Amino acid sequence: AQSVTQLGSHVSVSEGALVLLRCNYSSSVPPYLFWYVQYPNQGLQLLLKYTSAATLVKGINGFEAEFKKSETSFHLTKPSAHMSDAAEYFCAVSVSNTGNQFYFGTGTSLTVIP
Amino acid sequence: NAGVMQNPRHLVRRRGQEARLRCSPMKGHSHVYWYRQLPEEGLKFMVYLQKENIIDESGMPKERFSAEFPKEGPSILRIQQVVRGDSAAYFCASSPSGTAAEKLFFGSGTQLSVL
Repeated sequence: AQSVTQLGSHVSVSEGALVLLRCNYSSSVPPYLFWYVQYPNQGLQLLLKYTSAATLVKGINGFEAEFKKSETSFHLTKPSAHMSDAAEYFCAVSVSNTGNQFYFGTGTSLTVIP
Repeated sequence: NAGVMQNPRHLVRRRGQEARLRCSPMKGHSHVYWYRQLPEEGLKFMVYLQKENIIDESGMPKERFSAEFPKEGPSILRIQQVVRGDSAAYFCASSPSGTAAEKLFFGSGTQLSVL
């Protein structure tokens, strides 16, 4: 069975500080991993995805994530937080099975303090 | 190109009424997913449909909830005899192929409020 755990439902950082959002996954087969962002009253938008190519994945808006198989992690980082980064972030795992392939974490709400 | 369109954006129903939520996937997408979002609970999978077929409905309550994706027209999530616990944001997503590596495209959601 597949699952995703996001540690920390709320994260606050100062503007200009490092952003680190944690995601650990559980999967019996090699997974595909995604980070989505949700702004208020909007649907989710893809930030980046890992599909077994390079382990360090670069996404939009300066975000990147590193796939670490040994730690079953896919943490999201950004060197310098911007006010516009304040949003809800979801990690998701997908595997090559039929049926529901996408499993989402419970989300991390990022607050950026001026 | 229009994205995934959901309507209505907000839906208010009284207990016992029916709620019908519509989702038009992106052009060329034949795979549709429905998710429910509650505060502090993230996205919960409900159902996955491909044109005219339900592929996986393991996340959908057995009673009162149904979904369809007809050959023509939008996908419909139907909730009969709504209760207060059905109040949530319901999101639809689509993909062109339904493969695991393919990203999902999300609509802006329907906020259902049950009075």
